[in-house]
Amino acid sequence: KAGVTQTPRYLIKTRGQQVTLSCSPISGHRSVSWYQQTPGQGLQFLFEYFSETQRNKGNFPGRFSGRQFSNSRSEMNVSTLELGDSALYLCASSLAASEETQYFGPGTRLLVL
Amino acid sequence: KQEVTQIPAALSVPEGENLVLNCSFTDSAIYNLQWFRQDPGKGLTSLLLIQSSQREQTSGRLNASLDKSSGRSTLYIAASQPGDSATYLCAVESGTYKYIFGTGTRLKVLA
Repeated sequence: KAGVTQTPRYLIKTRGQQVTLSCSPISGHRSVSWYQQTPGQGLQFLFEYFSETQRNKGNFPGRFSGRQFSNSRSEMNVSTLELGDSALYLCASSLAASEETQYFGPGTRLLVL
Repeated sequence: KQEVTQIPAALSVPEGENLVLNCSFTDSAIYNLQWFRQDPGKGLTSLLLIQSSQREQTSGRLNASLDKSSGRSTLYIAASQPGDSATYLCAVESGTYKYIFGTGTRLKVLA
């Protein structure tokens, strides 16, 4: 069974631009969560989608948004990029919405110049 | 507000040693706790998931325990190997946040 895939793997953008990252969960998984990982703040929860609905949201500004499609694939968008948005963005999928093992993708490394 | 702390931040041990990594959390109302490992520049690999009703889980040389009342979990690694070198993260599923992660323990096992 294929694992969680994320595209692109690496991305360089400039301040003020916007970016869209994509995540394809493991087949059959309906929950997708997004995390931001930085050396200073560690791993922080962004949001979770289950069956195309946002279930939970972390403490991030409105510039960070996401969505989930009917095939469970998810995208996250960051508008008006700031230097501090440079990070590894990880997505994870699980079968159900809660109390299930989370499987992580390799991440998208975003560099904002 | 749930906070997760991991001690020590870094650990270096000779091959073959048994070791314990610690994780503590401030709010005992958790759904579950999960241990992950992360290799440099890579995503996370799930090691063990302990549901809130369980006390421990085992997989091979790994054993994780959970004491909700004291807000603690430990990850025990038996007979450590150089391939165990990685950063180990614990995370709790709690409240409205999917997972809250600790800052990790960076483990180096010397051959």
